[in-house]
Formats: sequence, C-alpha cells, structure tokens
Amino acid sequence: QQQVKQSPQSLIVQKGGISIINCAYENTAFDYFPWYQQFPGKGPALLIAIRPDVSEKKEGRFTISFNKSAKQFSLHIMDSQPGDSATYFCAAKIGETSGSRLTFGEGTQLTVNP
Amino acid sequence: DVKVTQSSRYLVKRTGEKVFLECVQDMDHENMFWYRQDPGLGLRLIYFSYDVKMKEKGDIPEGYSVSREKKERFSLILESASTNQTSMYLCASTQMDRPSSGNTIYFGEGSWLTVV
Repeated sequence: QQQVKQSPQSLIVQKGGISIINCAYENTAFDYFPWYQQFPGKGPALLIAIRPDVSEKKEGRFTISFNKSAKQFSLHIMDSQPGDSATYFCAAKIGETSGSRLTFGEGTQLTVNP
Repeated sequence: DVKVTQSSRYLVKRTGEKVFLECVQDMDHENMFWYRQDPGLGLRLIYFSYDVKMKEKGDIPEGYSVSREKKERFSLILESASTNQTSMYLCASTQMDRPSSGNTIYFGEGSWLTVV
C-alpha cells in the first residue's frame, strides 16, 4: 500500500518555466514532509522540507505548498533550469527526528529542455 | 564532508548466489538504513538499524537480512538471490533522534544489482 502518492511520473518543462510536482498522503499522523533530489548515478539528497504548521516554505527557486485539509503537498520549481533535470521524490514521516521511517512517493523524472 | 560509501556500485550475480552489499559511513551516525529503488515504486525500506547489533524490518524485508557488527558498517545480505531482486540498493544514515532537530538522512550513491 502506497501511503504517499506522487504525480506525474515524468515531466518535461522548457527552460524558464515552472515545474510542479504533486504528492498526496493518507496517514494523518505524518508531520514532516521532505523533498529529495536525485541526479543520475547519485543517491537522493535533501532539497527542502516542511512541517504542517505552515502552508508554504520557500528556498530560492524551490517552494513547497502544503494543504493539510486536502492531505496534499507540492513542489514548485520556478525559473526551471536544465541543471534541475533530475528525479524528485516526496516523502513523509511521523516526527521530524530521524528515528521514524521515511515513506517515499514513486518519484518524478523532471527534464528541463534548454 | 559527510560520506556514505557503498563499496560495490555494479554487481552481476547468478540466481541462488549469496550476495553481500556493504555500506560504510564516516559521520558516527547511530541510524543506518537499506532502501531498494525501482522505477515507478520509489524508495522502499528493507531494513534499518538504530545501534550496533540491532536491526528492525522495514516494509519489504522478505529475502533479505542485515548485519551491523560495527557502528560505521551496515551490510545487506541476499541469502539466495533471485531475479526479482534485480534493483538499485541505497544505503543511508542519520544521527540519533534529537527532539526538534530535523535530522537529515544521507544516502550513498547506490549499488546496482543484476541477478541473472
């Protein structure tokens, strides 16, 4: 059972455009929602994370929007660049500390065309 | 610079072979994890460990076992490899739980295993 569902599976965006990746979760006990970025041949790396007491978090060109009532959160990449081409994973866990386990979405392969 | 090292990047094994995937971290982290990554399925947790000689099953432990004899090393073992275990395996580590500390999980670069 996939507790975190991610869409789309793949996404192609033109340079300068906005990339949007969506995730939906089922377990209302989740209270920490990170996004990971993975380049080919590398392991995933933390990109940005949010807790449900805020509706939005922005770091540079990357923004997480969070809708607690809908149990959805999304990653927005503004002014997308070819260097942003990677696989993106949303995730969720109970508790911000590391002891609890991360549940990952299925992943989105983003391609930004020059 | 933090580092999680998976010694074998690419392996090809035969069905029924015993396979060892090794992972070493140099950050003195207490927690270590093994994930499996498959297209369209994301990352799925196989096993994790909070301390030396301690292990807990993740979401897909069947067909796998683990060993943690030293704090820095966490091994994934496939007792009898099967073709459905062809996948990319990721090791990860984090610090021990600390309240309100949002520990980051660090991943290795992955081990690509093909079972023929």
